[in-house]
Amino acid sequence: EVQLVESGGGLVQPGGSLRLSCAASGFTFSSYAMHWVRQAPGKGLECVSAITSNGGRKYYASAVEGRFTLSRDNSKNTLYLQMGSLRAEDMAVYYCARALGGSNINPPYDYWGQGTLVTVSS
Amino acid sequence: DIQMTQSPSTLSASVGDRVTITCRASQSISSWLAWYQQKPGKAPKFLIYYASSLESGVPSRFSGSGSGTEFTLTITSLQPDDFATYYCQQYTSYPWTFGQGTKVEIK
Repeated sequence: EVQLVESGGGLVQPGGSLRLSCAASGFTFSSYAMHWVRQAPGKGLECVSAITSNGGRKYYASAVEGRFTLSRDNSKNTLYLQMGSLRAEDMAVYYCARALGGSNINPPYDYWGQGTLVTVSS
Repeated sequence: DIQMTQSPSTLSASVGDRVTITCRASQSISSWLAWYQQKPGKAPKFLIYYASSLESGVPSRFSGSGSGTEFTLTITSLQPDDFATYYCQQYTSYPWTFGQGTKVEIK
């Protein structure tokens, strides 16, 4: 069974940093592109960042470019999102999601984690 | 960026109704469109890809159609489990963008 389990969310002050993790199991993690998608409270879905199966290519939304860094450790089946210079508008539930196409970085997403809440507040 | 616009934003319907949600793209996306269902407090669930291909395990009362800039998600006979918010997503080009969502509520 495919499972994606996010962790690392919490309360952080504006300007602070946080690292999210997504532990994957039930599939060959190194064969799939992975994404982070966020959802602000009461709002819609927004693609934040994506990484190819081997980590060679990464994409970032313009809203987080230069502040967030995406990485993966295929030996640990884990995806990471290092978030810095956090702003109030970054407050959201962050989901990791698997790309249906395997090594193809494009969506759609066939599996999602349960999400982890990031709260940015002083 | 490609803008995705869903209509309506909210839809009131009864069990057994036929429901149609529209998603329009600001430019042609061929058939590179997916649909998701989301219930409160839960992660989205993948329903349809390539505009009309049903994901495995999704009930056949769900169907998708369209190409270019106009797409529809149809639920032929609404069931109690279908009351949720539905999102479309284009994946023809980065940044991949979602519609704002359509909430299907009980009439």
